[in-house]
Amino acid sequence: EIVMTQSPATLSVSPGERATLSCRASQSVSSNLAWYQQKPGQAPRLLIYGASTRATDIPARFSGSGSGTEFTLTISSLQSEDFAVYYCQQYNNWPPVTFGQGTRLEIK
Amino acid sequence: EVQLVQSGAEVKKPGESLRISCKGSGYTFTNFWISWVRQMPGKGLEWMGRIDPSDSYTNYSPSSQGHVTISADKSISTAYLQWSSLKASDTAMYYCARRIAAAGHYGMDVWGQGTTVTVSS
Repeated sequence: EIVMTQSPATLSVSPGERATLSCRASQSVSSNLAWYQQKPGQAPRLLIYGASTRATDIPARFSGSGSGTEFTLTISSLQSEDFAVYYCQQYNNWPPVTFGQGTRLEIK
Repeated sequence: EVQLVQSGAEVKKPGESLRISCKGSGYTFTNFWISWVRQMPGKGLEWMGRIDPSDSYTNYSPSSQGHVTISADKSISTAYLQWSSLKASDTAMYYCARRIAAAGHYGMDVWGQGTTVTVSS
């Protein structure tokens, strides 16, 4: 089973600034990686798949990069609605599909 | 509108059985896999398994295999997650989610609202 590790666990950033979230795989997942956003009391929302392709209706301030074992989600200019928990998910070697433990993005 | 609508919250006792549902609408149900994802209180996301509604082929995570059953009734565009004997550790929010259309990718782009399952004596 591929283990996904996200860092940091919590990231404090001011509105308007840039946020960079990391995700590392225990072995190569090629570009078979997705990112999700989850707000309290809501279901997750797909942001990125294929490591860098934005899902439908996702704003351009969200971007994904990386391949192999190292991945990054960047939010270029944080809006108030972006403060949430973010998860990465690999689907290169499945079953099982595996998620990272999440990064909480909070207002500084 | 494409949506997945899940059944309501459940409160059960250990050892009881349960089936929760996920009804798809606004799209061709048989064209998209449905996955089930568990989220224990205050914790992260855990993929449990998936079903292809066109032929009911399933895959499970090692931790779910043998403890839950995923099924689907394509005639009513509904997927199910079922337990024959619940444990207190099954207390969680359960989401169903649809795999995206992009070939070769397993992001999940449409999610149900979640079903809370509480197992307590």
